[in-house]
Amino acid sequence: EIVLTQSPGTLSLSPGERATLSCRASQSVSNNYLAWYQQKPGQAPRLLINGASRRATGIPDRFSGSGSGTDFTLTISRLEPEDFAVYYCQQYGNSPLTFGGGTKVEIK
Amino acid sequence: QVQLQESGPGLVKPSGTLSLTCAVSGGSISSTNWWSWIRQPPGEGLEWIGEIYPGGITNYNSSLKSRLIIAIDESKNQFSLRLNSMTAADTAVYYCARGGPGGYFDSWGQGTLVTVSS
Repeated sequence: EIVLTQSPGTLSLSPGERATLSCRASQSVSNNYLAWYQQKPGQAPRLLINGASRRATGIPDRFSGSGSGTDFTLTISRLEPEDFAVYYCQQYGNSPLTFGGGTKVEIK
Repeated sequence: QVQLQESGPGLVKPSGTLSLTCAVSGGSISSTNWWSWIRQPPGEGLEWIGEIYPGGITNYNSSLKSRLIIAIDESKNQFSLRLNSMTAADTAVYYCARGGPGGYFDSWGQGTLVTVSS
């Protein structure tokens, strides 16, 4: 099973700042099959990125994904008020499909 | 735009069996997608439970495989989950989701909270 470790656990930033979230895999993720999700309280997760760097339909271009192999990054270029949430990475290159523990982006 | 909606009991007794259904609307469950169950204990992260493909091919998380059955009813455009021998550790919000090409999840149900308690 591929274990995904997200860091930091919590990121305290102000609107307009840049957020950089990390996701590290315990072994190489096949075909860079890595997705990112945003989850707000009481809501289901929403797909942001698949294939490590492809934005999902309707996702603003301030969200970008990068990385390969075992190290992946989600960047939010300028935080909007609606971006404060928990973010999860997920690998789908190997079974079982696994998620990281999440990074909470909170208002400083 | 496909929509998914979970239904089932909110309370299950210890050692009991959980049965949930996910109704799919706005699209056919017989399309070339996998259909998954995912759960999230209160205040914790996400755990993939398992998935099913039209025709009935399944993949299960090995941690739950001995207690789990996922089935599909293409005539009703829905799929289901049965998890037996429930314990407090199974208390969670249970989501159904559509798998995109490869295995990411591009559409989710709103989730249903299942509590295991006597």
